[in-house]
Amino acid sequence: GDSVTQMEGPVTLSEEAFLTINCTYTATGYPSLFWYVQYPGEGLQLLLKATKADDKGSNKGFEATYRKETTSFHLEKGSVQVSDSAVYFCALMMDSSYKLIFGSGTRLLVRP
Amino acid sequence: DTEVTQTPKHLVMGMTNKKSLKCEQHMGHRAMYWYKQKAKKPPELMFVYSYEKLSINESVPSRFSPECPNSSLLNLHLHALQPEDSALYLCASSQVGQRTFYTEAFFGQGTRLTVV
Repeated sequence: GDSVTQMEGPVTLSEEAFLTINCTYTATGYPSLFWYVQYPGEGLQLLLKATKADDKGSNKGFEATYRKETTSFHLEKGSVQVSDSAVYFCALMMDSSYKLIFGSGTRLLVRP
Repeated sequence: DTEVTQTPKHLVMGMTNKKSLKCEQHMGHRAMYWYKQKAKKPPELMFVYSYEKLSINESVPSRFSPECPNSSLLNLHLHALQPEDSALYLCASSQVGQRTFYTEAFFGQGTRLTVV
């Protein structure tokens, strides 16, 4: 079945470091891809999305590119801040589907 | 406005209590969802409403009873819950496009439920 695999966390970085969180997917067709972020004690916020191959989603300094050839959607940020500390979920949704399929989540800790 | 509002934020209930969780959105979305999230896990889908009709029940026990009174409101009625039902309950909404294509979901802040 369709699935999403994320790198294990926690990822611990110093402030201003470069961030990459890996996400790969398995799907029978061409899904839309999403990154959601969950800050401590809160719900999920949509961070960015891409709906077709080679699309780049971006928001708040975060970027991810939909790579069909490697079935990947890695999240990157050039310079992280302490306020970026959160859990990041990669997710996919197939066309004409109601269901978001989430990865297991990656916790990011940014130290001052 | 991309806000989904859930009340209450926290709820403690006994196993014999009846309580309700509420969710509201004013984005004109015609699909609304309930998710359950346990600690350190991703959300798990429970129910989907499309155009105020229940379209998906992911084999959820009957002690959880959803209700969609109108296109902006979604309730989750709780009765005779067990301690293992303690979790963060998230409401979400999304557009429903042509040919039932569902766009990305917007989530509320959740209700932290503790069953004692």
